[in-house]
Order: sequence, then structure tokens, then C-alpha cells
Amino acid sequence: EVQLVESGGGLAQPGRSLRLSCGASGFSFDDFAMHWVRQVPGKGLEWVAGIGWNSGSIGYADSVRGRFTISRDNAKKSLYLQMNSLRADDTALYFCVKDMVGYYGDHRGWYFDLWGRGTLVAVSS
Amino acid sequence: DIVMTQSPDSLAVSLGERATINCKSSQSVLYSSNNRNYLAWYQHKPGQPPKLLIYWASTRASGVPDRFSGSGSGTDFTLTISSLQAEDVAVYYCHQYYSTLYTFGQGTKLEIK
Repeated sequence: EVQLVESGGGLAQPGRSLRLSCGASGFSFDDFAMHWVRQVPGKGLEWVAGIGWNSGSIGYADSVRGRFTISRDNAKKSLYLQMNSLRADDTALYFCVKDMVGYYGDHRGWYFDLWGRGTLVAVSS
Repeated sequence: DIVMTQSPDSLAVSLGERATINCKSSQSVLYSSNNRNYLAWYQHKPGQPPKLLIYWASTRASGVPDRFSGSGSGTDFTLTISSLQAEDVAVYYCHQYYSTLYTFGQGTKLEIK
């Protein structure tokens, strides 16, 4: 079955860290760029970070740059998001998302054709 | 960043009737080099992953019923459901991929009247 399954969410105190993971199955993971997108409760979607197929290109939203790190392990068919210095406004449902192509960060992007169900991150003291 | 604004925020439509959702971008997402609009639509039901409905503003994704259609160009786009079915209750998002600083609309919640 073609799917993405996120894990690693939970409750964290402000200033602490969490690491999200995403396992891919049913497609050739190392052929595609991947992304993290989040949804604040009751709000819309926000793109967080993207990574190319070989980790050669990476990008971040301004709101997380310098605090979050996206990475991937193609041998394990896994995507990661290391979240440091967490803030209350990082509270959200985090989705792992597959790109249509392998590269990220070119002049123009592509749409996203596969999403996971998400993992919930709550940041509170 | 390109700001995406959807209207309305919520919509109630009777079964079998037409539903129309609008999306406006703060700058054109039409790329002149290939004459493509870098605009997609997603459907999100609670507890499920968001689902790709439309890409390139008007191309239906595989398996999407033909009652869903997308239109528009430049900065103004529309998602139309020609005859609303009960299973179409969801939140719908537009998404620009013209810039790799991807952005989404705030979402439109579609309900049955």
C-alpha cells in the first residue's frame, strides 16, 4: 500500500526538542523530494520544510529556519524533522508529504500527491 | 511570500446542488514559459490525510470524480463541485507551487445544508 506514516509527536515544554519521523511504503522513496506541512488547530496549512531526493537541496519556512532541521534516510525510507527550541506557536498537526518530483528548490515547485495522517505536536508548560 | 486567500471560509450547500470555492493569490501563479498555472486543490476530511484533487489549476488527479472541476488563471481560481454528495463534506485548500516557499489558502469548510 502506498502510504506515509508519521510518528514522534507529543507534548513538549517550550524550549525543548522533539524529533518527528515518517515512514514511507509502496513507492520508490529515494526518487522523490519530501516535505513537512503543519496545520495549527482550527487554522490552515503551513509548509514547514522540504528536502530533495538526495538531501542536496533543503528549504525552510521563515518561522522555523534555524530551529528545525529536515533530513532523510533513503535506505530506511524515512523522513525526519528535528524540532529544537520549540515554541507554543509550533503546536500543530504535522504532515509528511510526498512531492511529484525528486528535486526541491528549483525556480518552480510541484504539487504534493501523497500525505500522511499527521502526528500531533503540543508545546505547553 | 505569495498569500493565498480563499472565499468563503465556510459554505453550506444542499445535496445535489453546486458548490463553488474561490481562491485568490497575491501575485500571478501563471508561468509564462510553459503557460501553466501553479495551483492545486486538496480535500481534507477529519482523521484522513489531505487528498490531491486538482493540479495545474484544472487537471483532475487520478480517481477524482468528474463532478470536481477547477478553473481560473493568473490570480483568480475556482473549485466547483457540480452536484454535492454527502461524502464531499470536508475542508478544501488551494495551494500555490509557483514559488518553492509553498503557501496554502486558509481553507473552506464545506457542509450540507
